[in-house]
Amino acid sequence: EVQLVESGGGLVQPGGSLRLSCAASGFTFSSYWMSWVRQAPGKGLEWVAKIKQDGSEKYYVDSVKGRFTISRDNTRNSLDLQMNSLRAEDTAVYYCVRHWAYWGQGTPVTVSS
Amino acid sequence: EIVLTQSPGTLSLSPGERTTLSCRASQSVTSSALAWYQQKPGQSPRLLIYDASTRATGIPDRFSGSGSGTDFTLTISRLEPEDFAVYYCQQYGSSPITFGQGTRLEIK
Repeated sequence: EVQLVESGGGLVQPGGSLRLSCAASGFTFSSYWMSWVRQAPGKGLEWVAKIKQDGSEKYYVDSVKGRFTISRDNTRNSLDLQMNSLRAEDTAVYYCVRHWAYWGQGTPVTVSS
Repeated sequence: EIVLTQSPGTLSLSPGERTTLSCRASQSVTSSALAWYQQKPGQSPRLLIYDASTRATGIPDRFSGSGSGTDFTLTISRLEPEDFAVYYCQQYGSSPITFGQGTRLEIK
């Protein structure tokens, strides 16, 4: 059974940093593109970043470029999102996604003073 | 960036009815790389359709997708009580990947 379990969310002050992680199991992690998708409270879905199977290609939505970094460790079957210089508008539930059929349960991030 | 516009914003229908949801792209979607998702309150999105018309594993055949280029539709042939939810379209053929704003399907 495919499982994606996110962790690392929480409350952080504006300008702060947070690192999200996603533990993957039940499939060959190194064979799939992976993404982070977020959803602000009461709003729609927004793709944040994606990474190729071997980590050689990474893409970001403009609003997070230079602040967020996606990475993966195929030996540990894990996906990370390092988030720096956080803003109030980054407040959302962050989902780890195996393109595109499998989504984690999400981890909430709140940026507030 | 490809902007996806979904219509209508809200649909009020009764179980048993047929409905069509629309997703229009601001430019042609590469290789019909268009997906549809269903999301219920407090749940993660669920993939229904990918590549514009292919049903995902385990999705009932009352759900069907069609379209190409800039115009795509999701049809639910006969609404079941569990189908009332928010539906999103997504294009994944061009970067940045984008989603529509969603259509809320509510019980009349």
